[in-house]
Amino acid sequence: KQEVTQIPAALSVPEGENLVLNCSFTDSAIYNLQWFRQDPGKGLTSLLLIQSSQREQTSGRLNASLDKSSGRSTLYIAASQPGDSATYLCAAVPGDTGRRALTFGSGTRLQVQP
Amino acid sequence: SQTIHQWPATLVQPVGSPLSLECTVEGTSNPNLYWYRQAAGRGLQLLFYSVGIGQISSEVPQNLSASRPQDRQFILSSKKLLLSDSGFYLCAWSAETYEQYFGPGTRLTVT
Repeated sequence: KQEVTQIPAALSVPEGENLVLNCSFTDSAIYNLQWFRQDPGKGLTSLLLIQSSQREQTSGRLNASLDKSSGRSTLYIAASQPGDSATYLCAAVPGDTGRRALTFGSGTRLQVQP
Repeated sequence: SQTIHQWPATLVQPVGSPLSLECTVEGTSNPNLYWYRQAAGRGLQLLFYSVGIGQISSEVPQNLSASRPQDRQFILSSKKLLLSDSGFYLCAWSAETYEQYFGPGTRLTVT
């Protein structure tokens, strides 16, 4: 059974700092890995999707990497801003064809101080 | 473009009452559909997923059920709510890449 872990659980940084959020998964046979952002009381916003054949994806100030062999993904946020404050979740889709649903980590709660 | 709707946005129901939450998707056909629950202080848990009309897979045994009466409509139901059913319910859809897109959620409080 796939388990996804995110470290740290919470992070507070000053504005402008570059930061890295970590995600690890126990079963490397994934179909893809997705990073989300969740604001308090809101739904999830998809940030980046990395297919199993890819090593990284970039969108603006965000860069996500994937290392299937080690069971790890990282989300790099450059030049952080107060508007980046939110909970960031990673989730993996299993590689078997019978079930294409996400297994989520518990999230990293990010606070960017102005 | 595709959009996903959920209603109601918030709901307060007494223990033992029935439940019906609705999710609809626009701008795509034959999507995969999902129901997740996020309980206070806990992670997101997959409840049901569907790959087509009338095709429902349940992940967790419980007093909830799901139905897909139309291609882009997904309904979560219960005949009798429990206190433990309180939480934030999220509907999501995906297409061929299995990238999932989430709705705004329904906050359910069972009293």
